[in-house]
Amino acid sequence: SYVLTQPPSVSVAPGQTARIPCGGNNVGSKSVHWFQQKPGQAPVLVVYAGTDRPSGIPERFSGSNSGNTATLTISEVEAGDEADYYCQVWDSSTDDEVFGGGTKLTVL
Amino acid sequence: QITLKESGPTLVKPTQTLTLTCIFSGFSLTTPGVDVGWIRQPPGKALEWLALIKWDDAKRYSPSLKSSLTITKDTSKNHVVLTMTNVDPVDTATYYCALSTGYCRGWCPDIWGQGTLVTVSS
Repeated sequence: SYVLTQPPSVSVAPGQTARIPCGGNNVGSKSVHWFQQKPGQAPVLVVYAGTDRPSGIPERFSGSNSGNTATLTISEVEAGDEADYYCQVWDSSTDDEVFGGGTKLTVL
Repeated sequence: QITLKESGPTLVKPTQTLTLTCIFSGFSLTTPGVDVGWIRQPPGKALEWLALIKWDDAKRYSPSLKSSLTITKDTSKNHVVLTMTNVDPVDTATYYCALSTGYCRGWCPDIWGQGTLVTVSS
């Protein structure tokens, strides 16, 4: 089965840039989606298809995807960005929707 | 405004069948490109995709859980039902239904229900 690997945690100071990686075999060939989940709340789609933002998501959220790593970048981080972030792809070989293990973003 | 809301039992005994209903409004499941899926999240753990049903009634299941899951829709009642047979305590989780409205070519759910916590225990 396809595996997406995320670091358990990432820390960043307010105003700085946070980069959250999502590793997977040749993930650059796949369409990666990113979700933000705050405590006690349902996930929210923040980036889809690797680089695009749904309406209402700030431009501070961006994505990239190449080789074996997809990355969610949050610029000018705010306290309100503190949350768990998950990446997701479709694995065509097994027809499975796969989520990464999630990364907890801490704003120092 | 599009909304989804999950309903079902909060407590289920091991080996029983769990039935969850996703009641939605603001869209039709007959609209091309509209897909509704189920995802679960055990306490303190990651998201796990379970199943989805497409506007044309095509169905997809998690390969690891396929044998225990059934997803159906009733477009006249605006709901989607997920059944899981022979549940185990490891199935204790918050269960979400979520809608992919067509941002991406695949499934990227952009509208989620609030989730419902199901505990499996004797």
